[in-house]
Amino acid sequence: EADIYQTPRYLVIGTGKKITLECSQTMGHDKMYWYQQDPGMELHLIHYSYGVNSTEKGDLSSESTVSRIRTEHFPLTLESARPSHTSQYLCASSEPAGATNEKLFFGSGTQLSVL
Amino acid sequence: AQTVTQSQPEMSVQEAETVTLSCTYDTSESDYYLFWYKQPPSRQMILVIRQEAYKQQNATENRFSVNFQKAAKSFSLKISDSQLGDAAMYFCAYRRTGNQFYFGTGTSLTVIP
Repeated sequence: EADIYQTPRYLVIGTGKKITLECSQTMGHDKMYWYQQDPGMELHLIHYSYGVNSTEKGDLSSESTVSRIRTEHFPLTLESARPSHTSQYLCASSEPAGATNEKLFFGSGTQLSVL
Repeated sequence: AQTVTQSQPEMSVQEAETVTLSCTYDTSESDYYLFWYKQPPSRQMILVIRQEAYKQQNATENRFSVNFQKAAKSFSLKISDSQLGDAAMYFCAYRRTGNQFYFGTGTSLTVIP
């Protein structure tokens, strides 16, 4: 079944650790996104990609990095996690720009807690 | 810059009743899209309903409908015959053609049995 998958669902780690949040989609979408979501706040776009080898930073500055080596895979990496990185991270994909039925498909999210 | 405002952090509705969630947005564009997304607790965010700005007719999807007032830049969501499964966080979102999505802060809807 076509879907978008995020792992892990929950992650608790110590300060200074390197972490990678995984995101994969089986829909063949070119566009993928990472959003950061905090309680009571709007979703903030931190990274997006229009296709393989394309990555851009979003509106919200983030110390994380992303890569897009394969269409279906869009991992997010934090080289040295800090408590300020504690948040929910949502991955999404969408149809190519300009498609009349373009809409976002979201993963289940990763709740990250940095101690 | 585009902004989306949801002025109701929390709403509640009695089961089987109707509730309306508010959303306003700010844009200077004439061609754009508006969305309502639903995020149930610990579950994936899913699209509820979508409206193209060039369409005057309000979108409907079963028990969900919108009241799109382009001049007022208002895009409210009406849920009729509310069900327990409607309980979720609802996000209003805006997108200009080809551009990224902008989300509001969400409205938490509680459905009372």
